[in-house]
Amino acid sequence: AQSVTQLDSQVPVFEEAPVELRCNYSSSVSVYLFWYVQYPNQGLQLLLKYLSGSTLVKGINGFEAEFNKSQTSFHLRKPSVHISDTAEYFCAVSDSSASKIIFGSGTRLSIRP
Amino acid sequence: GAGVSQSPSNKVTEKGKDVELRCDPISGHTALYWYRQSLGQGLEFLIYFQGNSAPDKSGLPSDRFSAERTGGSVSTLTIQRTQQEDSAVYLCASSPLPVQGYGYTFGSGTRLTVV
Repeated sequence: AQSVTQLDSQVPVFEEAPVELRCNYSSSVSVYLFWYVQYPNQGLQLLLKYLSGSTLVKGINGFEAEFNKSQTSFHLRKPSVHISDTAEYFCAVSDSSASKIIFGSGTRLSIRP
Repeated sequence: GAGVSQSPSNKVTEKGKDVELRCDPISGHTALYWYRQSLGQGLEFLIYFQGNSAPDKSGLPSDRFSAERTGGSVSTLTIQRTQQEDSAVYLCASSPLPVQGYGYTFGSGTRLTVV
């Protein structure tokens, strides 16, 4: 069965500092990986996805994630965060046999000026 | 419209009342999902519709919860005899198939408060 673990429930960082949000998954077959962002009082928005090919995936708003098969990880990174990046971030996984996407518990990113 | 539309955006109801939540997916999206997001929690899968196939109801927490999708488009999630623990944000998402290739497009959700 698939599962997703987001190791940090909250990550506080200073504005313009780099950030990494950690995500580990478990799946017995080839996986498809996603990061979603939820801004306050809004629905979830797709940030980026890994389907195949290059292990470094670039998304919107300057975010990128790297798929590491040996470590079963898909960590999200941004070299310099802004106040507007304050949101909750969800990592998610699916596989070729699945009909739905499984979400992690989320990481709340708070940016300090 | 261009996105997934959910109504109402907010609903306050008294314990024991029934509520209906509506989702209007993106036109042409075959798959439709309902999730529940409780305060401080992740997304809990509730139910999945794909075309004319029987829905996957494996996530519904009790028999007070039901959902239907009419004409392969609009979906309604019904909660009967609401309880305080039903208070949450209910999110609807739709996707073309295969879902793995596209990911979901979410609506803005319905915030349900049971008092």
